[in-house]
Amino acid sequence: DGGITQSPKYLFRKEGQNVTLSCEQNLNHDAMYWYRQDPGQGLRLIYYSQIVNDFQKGDIAEGYSVSREKKESFPLTVTSAQKNPTAFYLCASRREVDEKLFFGSGTQLSVL
Amino acid sequence: AQSVAQPEDQVNVAEGNPLTVKCTYSVSGNPYLFWYVQYPNRGLQFLLKYITGDNLVKGSYGFEAEFNKSQTSFHLKKPSALVSDSALYFCAVRKKPGSQGNLIFGKGTKLSVKP
Repeated sequence: DGGITQSPKYLFRKEGQNVTLSCEQNLNHDAMYWYRQDPGQGLRLIYYSQIVNDFQKGDIAEGYSVSREKKESFPLTVTSAQKNPTAFYLCASRREVDEKLFFGSGTQLSVL
Repeated sequence: AQSVAQPEDQVNVAEGNPLTVKCTYSVSGNPYLFWYVQYPNRGLQFLLKYITGDNLVKGSYGFEAEFNKSQTSFHLKKPSALVSDSALYFCAVRKKPGSQGNLIFGKGTKLSVKP
């Protein structure tokens, strides 16, 4: 989907476990985002990053962490502190010239 | 508070008929408005946007949207629906300048087009 690659497509988490979702882009975009999608609730912003080595909390950051060590990569860790992690997670990058967001195909996270 | 509302969870349309998916917003200042579409188990794809200029915006796949400032609406329309248009549609508004481009998304409207 537009140069954004998310992996894995499906992920299962055991209680007390941290899991990391991968997001890679080859679009040379500075800004990247992580959204959580729950049925009937739309998309909610978890974290975003405007530039390498910088990131900001979104609306629902509790129980999540991110890093932005490279422009191409913005991994999301779902920690054991996130008590309701089951959701569809979407990564996106923004093309600044026209404000368009480009999304990956998503990762479905479920709890075992 | 800034927000966007999609009042219909689902819209059902017969193929060949016109379709409208509704969106209203609340934002201080001039809004940047977007429509995205999501097919099952996929990411979102950009359809169209309004930033400034002509109130009628044309986008991908024959869709268009009309910005109405007095009614704070940005409804998505298509003159003749196709079965392949069946998907989940999201309206989004950008927060006021200085928000680093972050969008607020509506809850989505499921469009079902029957043959």
